Amino acid sequence: GESVGLHLPTLSVQEGDNSIINCAYSNSASDYFIWYKQESGKGPQFIIDIRANMDKRQGERVTVLLNKTVKHLSLQIAATQPGDSAVYFCAEIYNFNKFYFGSGTKLNVKP
Amino acid sequence: NAGVMQNPRHLVRRRGQEARLRCSPMKGHSHVYWYRQLPEEGLKFMVYLQKENIIDESGMPKERFSAEFPKEGPSILRIQQVVRGDSAAYFCASSLTRLAGGYEQYFGPGTRLTVT
Repeated sequence: GESVGLHLPTLSVQEGDNSIINCAYSNSASDYFIWYKQESGKGPQFIIDIRANMDKRQGERVTVLLNKTVKHLSLQIAATQPGDSAVYFCAEIYNFNKFYFGSGTKLNVKP
Repeated sequence: NAGVMQNPRHLVRRRGQEARLRCSPMKGHSHVYWYRQLPEEGLKFMVYLQKENIIDESGMPKERFSAEFPKEGPSILRIQQVVRGDSAAYFCASSLTRLAGGYEQYFGPGTRLTVT
């Protein structure tokens, strides 16, 4: 089946620095991508999404970049804060209802 | 406006017993999705339901697992004759529409099933 994977299982950054979390996907037919944040003991929380016909989308302190040529997705978090510490998942969606999640990257923010 | 509710939050079952996991979607949401998450892994899609209908169960094991979303009441994920490999966190999500456009699923806090 299709799969979504992540390059880095853990990422440690200093508070105030920018964070970049990467994700590789395999299905070129995927039409939508989402980044989720999951804190310990909680369900995933929607952060930001991007359609396949876009290259970049910005939210509050977060930016998602999509490179369809190399099937790569990234999440950039500006001025990382301790509250950003969590596991981040990317998900690719196709056929409008099939979600495939990556295994996650744990972000540790050092004070 | 309450979010997606799941209960119980923690469930312990012995091998061979049945596990029933309940999910109440957000108010007004009629689309429910169940996922399983093993430790240190991402979520794996199991089943997608609308009220009284199973839309896509391609991710659900053919045996021992079943799901329903009745006209009234919560969605139920049922696991019969549980085995240790069923130990995982089970997450439910709901959406307002069939995820065409918004693609926002709202996740519940999950039920952590432990099979002893």
